Amino acid sequence: DVKVTQSSRYLVKRTGEKVFLECVQDMDHENMFWYRQDPGLGLRLIYFSYDVKMKEKGDIPEGYSVSREKKERFSLILESASTNQTSMYLCASSGSTTNEKLFFGSGTQLSVL
Amino acid sequence: GQSLEQPSEVTAVEGAIVQINCTYQTSGFYGLSWYQQHDGGAPTFLSYNALDGLEETGRFSSFLSRSDSYGYLLLQELQMKDSASYFCAVSGAAGNKLTFGGGTRVLVKP
Repeated sequence: DVKVTQSSRYLVKRTGEKVFLECVQDMDHENMFWYRQDPGLGLRLIYFSYDVKMKEKGDIPEGYSVSREKKERFSLILESASTNQTSMYLCASSGSTTNEKLFFGSGTQLSVL
Repeated sequence: GQSLEQPSEVTAVEGAIVQINCTYQTSGFYGLSWYQQHDGGAPTFLSYNALDGLEETGRFSSFLSRSDSYGYLLLQELQMKDSASYFCAVSGAAGNKLTFGGGTRVLVKP
């Protein structure tokens, strides 16, 4: 089975802190994604990557950056955390060119105080 | 841009049939996917339609009409374990990102 692992299930940070969310997949997938999930808003795409060292902005990239130094690892960075970034963050990977089937990690609930 | 509309909540009893509609507006379209998410869990893939018509997988079926920019997920013989949120998602072109709708919360009552 595909496994997508996110480093933390719950995280509490203070406003202004730099935050790193880590994601690792074990299926040699080319494509990786970061979404945030908020009640009533569904899943919104922050950034995605189709290859090592490659990244593309999603629908809500402001306040975030990403890093993909190795194929299996995709990191989301909050440069200066703000309270409106309190959310559930979901990492996903896909092995297909059409990306119709994503495999998700269990998510990181981030609270910014 | 891309936008998807689906109902926010549906309630039904065990054994019933529920249809979750999804309408979309996209600058390009490749296919419509459906995901299930239980409370506290990760979304899991259910089905995918790239062509018009009905795809059946056990108790769940998914339908697509490209000309109407419309699809639905049909849940039959509802069970308590089907209580979850269901999301439709579209990809705008081959290899493109997947954009999700706001989700439909399905509550199954005894």
